[in-house]
Amino acid sequence: EDQVTQSPEALRLQEGESSSLNCSYTVSGLRGLFWYRQDPGKGPEFLFTLYSAGEEKEKERLKATLTKKESFLHITAPKPEDSATYLCAVQRSNDYKLSFGAGTTVTVRA
Amino acid sequence: GAVVSQHPSRVICKSGTSVKIECRSLDFQATTMFWYRQFPKQSLMLMATSNEGSKATYEQGVEKDKFLINHASLTLSTLTVTSAHPEDSSFYICSAEVGVDEKLFFGSGTQLSVL
Repeated sequence: EDQVTQSPEALRLQEGESSSLNCSYTVSGLRGLFWYRQDPGKGPEFLFTLYSAGEEKEKERLKATLTKKESFLHITAPKPEDSATYLCAVQRSNDYKLSFGAGTTVTVRA
Repeated sequence: GAVVSQHPSRVICKSGTSVKIECRSLDFQATTMFWYRQFPKQSLMLMATSNEGSKATYEQGVEKDKFLINHASLTLSTLTVTSAHPEDSSFYICSAEVGVDEKLFFGSGTQLSVL
């Protein structure tokens, strides 16, 4: 059975304080790993897809990396507007379904 | 990015009534849409895969007679929660695949509260 574990559950940062979120996974055949941002009461917003170990993608203050067992989302010099819950999900290669982690809730204080 | 519109954003209903939630792809055609359910501080759980012109595929443990899914066109899928009970109260989110890399774009979600 696929497992996606995100840590920490919650992260409180001072504005400008860089940090990393972890997503550990086990899946029978990984097609891709997705990162989403979710604001309270809203649907997830797509951030990145990573397909192979060693791959990295960046968008503004966010950078996602992938290994064979885990993915990291690095937040560099965060701003209050980066406060949100960040979700990772793995997509199986045999049926393309997504399995989500429970998310990391990031709060950035000014 | 692609836009997926979900309506209503919030609904409160009495126990025993049915509630319909709409999910529309506004600027693209979606042969496949997905319905998720999310409880507070928990991950999104896939309920069913909605296929245009055919029956939906439900995940294990999801009652297909309770959660009716219709995908009658390439831009609209609906989820009807029949005879809703308080335990059905949750955040329901739809999504659609877009593009050759099959990114999932999500609607804004529907918060269902059953009294």
